[in-house]
Amino acid sequence: DGGITQSPKYLFRKEGQNVTLSCEQNLNHDAMYWYRQDPGQGLRLIYYSQIVNDFQKGDIAEGYSVSREKKESFPLTVTSAQKNPTAFYLCATQVRLEAFFGQGTRLTVV
Amino acid sequence: SQKIEQNSEALNIQEGKTATLTCNYTNYSPAYLQWYRQDPGRGPVFLLLIRENEKEKRKERLKVTFDTTLKQSLFHITASQPADSATYLCALDRGAAGNKLTFGGGTRVLVKP
Repeated sequence: DGGITQSPKYLFRKEGQNVTLSCEQNLNHDAMYWYRQDPGQGLRLIYYSQIVNDFQKGDIAEGYSVSREKKESFPLTVTSAQKNPTAFYLCATQVRLEAFFGQGTRLTVV
Repeated sequence: SQKIEQNSEALNIQEGKTATLTCNYTNYSPAYLQWYRQDPGRGPVFLLLIRENEKEKRKERLKVTFDTTLKQSLFHITASQPADSATYLCALDRGAAGNKLTFGGGTRVLVKP
């Protein structure tokens, strides 16, 4: 079954804690993206990667970090430097102009 | 500054009627524009793509228009059904490296039986 798997579905973070969101794809797509979605707002681009071992900052990269060691995997770490991390996080791949999304991870700071 | 705007108010519509959603943008010159559907708590799903040289695109009960002079796209759902209830997002390319997309905030559609 081809697709993008994000885990966990729900994640709770304590103040000052780093957390890592997982994104795995078996679509064999080169390009992968991380977006953040807040209520009533458009998706905002955090980081993207067009090829293994290379990634670029998006519009709101501060307080986040990523790695792209394998084509299938693009994990996102939300660091303690991100002051307002509560949001819905979406991982996507893109090919021939069309984006494919995972089911998202809802992160809440407690 | 660059902006992409969709009506943030929910659109309530009776089953069988046509729903029309608007996507306006400023300070972009997109080569194409896309529409996605998003259900609560789930990721968006691609619906349609329309290029700058296309005026209209159709897919089943969906129709998209793209007016680069007005900097506007209209998205129509004809013969709407309760199953069409969702949030619809427009997205356009930034014309920059990385094929980056900019998304609007989405318009929620509620189709009542």
